[in-house]
Amino acid sequence: GAGVSQSPSNKVTEKGKDVELRCDPISGHTALYWYRQSLGQGLEFLIYFQGNSAPDKSGLPSDRFSAERTGGSVSTLTIQRTQQEDSAVYLCASSLGPAENTEAFFGQGTRLTVV
Amino acid sequence: LAKTTQPISMDSYEGQEVNITCSHNNIATNDYITWYQQFPSQGPRFIIQGYKTKVTNEVASLFIPADRKSSTLSLPRVSLSDTAVYYCLVGSTGGGNKLTFGTGTQLKVEL
Repeated sequence: GAGVSQSPSNKVTEKGKDVELRCDPISGHTALYWYRQSLGQGLEFLIYFQGNSAPDKSGLPSDRFSAERTGGSVSTLTIQRTQQEDSAVYLCASSLGPAENTEAFFGQGTRLTVV
Repeated sequence: LAKTTQPISMDSYEGQEVNITCSHNNIATNDYITWYQQFPSQGPRFIIQGYKTKVTNEVASLFIPADRKSSTLSLPRVSLSDTAVYYCLVGSTGGGNKLTFGTGTQLKVEL
């Protein structure tokens, strides 16, 4: 596709269940970012990938959160044993190179609701 | 990464020019300044990026003084559709690549 694609667009899950969020970056983009945005709040950095490597995982809120990227393309953010405070919009972005010097393209996000 | 400070909110009317200033006193030599726009229920969208002096594109202008400790995003003749949150980011290749967003400026444009 032409842009960053995230799926699902909406996810409602029960507390304690695991969820997987998917991000398909723009083809050829080596950098990929995950963010979390709670209602009315700014973007909270979660993790960054350069290729398949994640040099910075310091933004992951707890050990229930993990992410991987395969083939330098698709990335999956996994939240185990979801809690109500995990409810938020999860945004993915990709860029050709380090986004500080290039344009980052964002997906529409996955709205996660934990009930 | 250099920390940024922006006004929390601004109000304007259609047809006016809007200038949003971002302070980044600790900007490093290699840092670039980038602005993003975010509408409700959407991901942020790149607006403009610069290193020094002035940059202009079809959407906005970015003014950066010689000391680079601040920058001003200028939106000419805003319309209702420019109502959004505007984020200023500062960073560089060697800055950890976090692409850290601050709290942003909520711009509200009215008739």
